[in-house]
Amino acid sequence: IAGITQAPTSQILAAGRRMTLRCTQDMRHNAMYWYRQDLGLGLRLIHYSNTAGTTGKGEVPDGYSVSRANTDDFPLTLASAVPSQTSVYFCASSEGTSTGIYGYTFGSGTRLTVV
Amino acid sequence: QKEVEQDPGPLSVPEGAIVSLNCTYSNSAFQYFMWYRQYSRKGPELLMYTYSSGNKEDGRFTAQVDKSSKYISLFIRDSQPSDSATYLCAMNTGNQFYFGTGTSLTVIP
Repeated sequence: IAGITQAPTSQILAAGRRMTLRCTQDMRHNAMYWYRQDLGLGLRLIHYSNTAGTTGKGEVPDGYSVSRANTDDFPLTLASAVPSQTSVYFCASSEGTSTGIYGYTFGSGTRLTVV
Repeated sequence: QKEVEQDPGPLSVPEGAIVSLNCTYSNSAFQYFMWYRQYSRKGPELLMYTYSSGNKEDGRFTAQVDKSSKYISLFIRDSQPSDSATYLCAMNTGNQFYFGTGTSLTVIP
């Protein structure tokens, strides 16, 4: 089934630990995004990639890093997790970057709890 | 001021009711307007999108954009329990998307 696969689906992580959230898409979309979703704050963009080999910072990038070695994969790394990074993380992709007419395809999310 | 404002609700209606969901925005450069539906513990899915002012209909759903008032709406006719979800508006200029915080809707059988 075409779409976005995120792993793990949920995780409890000790503060200070390093963690990588995985995201893979099979739609050959150029652009990929990482959002976090928090109650009352909605979806906030962490990092994005318009095409393989390029990345950019979103609204809330601090404490996170990404890489885009190929078209399909866009992992998000928390170098040293803190409790404020407890959230639901969504990976998304879109076919184009210059028009919004395509919209986003979202993964099912990773629920991360940092304790 | 947030780029996009959306009443979080929650909104509870009886089955068959007409539902109106709304967002306001501040950036006149926004070009595309979308509505996403998000079921509990799932990712958002694109429901409807529109480019210009006016109405766009798709089955029981109608998206309305008023650029002069910077106001968008989603109407759901003959609402069903399966419509119970959180609805997020979104809009963009270029590849930067801005989302509303979502309105939680419950349709009671």
